[in-house]
Amino acid sequence: EVQLVESGGGLVQPGRSLKLSCVASGFTFSNYGMNWIRQAPGKGLEWVAYISSGSSYIYYAETVKGRFTISRDNAKNTLYLQMTSLRSEDTALYYCASLARGYWGQGVMVTVSS
Amino acid sequence: DIVMTQSPFSLAVSEGEMVTINCKSSQSLLSSGNQKNYLAWYQQKPGQSPKLLIYYASTRQSGVPDRFIGSGSGTDFTLTISDVQAEDLADYYCLQHYSYPYTFGAGTKLELK
Repeated sequence: EVQLVESGGGLVQPGRSLKLSCVASGFTFSNYGMNWIRQAPGKGLEWVAYISSGSSYIYYAETVKGRFTISRDNAKNTLYLQMTSLRSEDTALYYCASLARGYWGQGVMVTVSS
Repeated sequence: DIVMTQSPFSLAVSEGEMVTINCKSSQSLLSSGNQKNYLAWYQQKPGQSPKLLIYYASTRQSGVPDRFIGSGSGTDFTLTISDVQAEDLADYYCLQHYSYPYTFGAGTKLELK
């Protein structure tokens, strides 16, 4: 059974940092590019970042470029999202996903508030 | 960036009806290399993660009922749900994965009349 399990979310003050993790199982994680996608409360889906299978190609949404860093450890089947200089508008449910395979995690909530 | 314009914003239907949801991209999503349209459709039920319904504009994901039909090419795409069932009530999103940054449509909420 395919599973993507996100963790690391929580309540954080504006300007602080947070690192999300996503552990994959049930498929060959190292073969696939991975994405972070977020959804603000009551809003639509927003693509955040992509990393290729071997980490050679990385892309970000303009809204997070320079503040967020996507990375992965294929030996640990884990995807990461390092978030810095957090803003209130970053408040959202963050999903990790293999869009090519249609695999999504259940999401982890990040709330940025003082 | 490619802008995805999805319509309508919401749709009220009765069970058994047919509905169509449209998505228009600001640039063509058709790859000249493999003639595939890089457009996907997702369904999201309350409290759940999005579920992939259709990829390459018209290919149904395994396990998706055949009442879900994707069509279109280039810049204009449609998701048709024939014989709507109560379990189909959800939010629907289109996604272009032709070029980065990937972009979603704003979503369509399918509700019971």
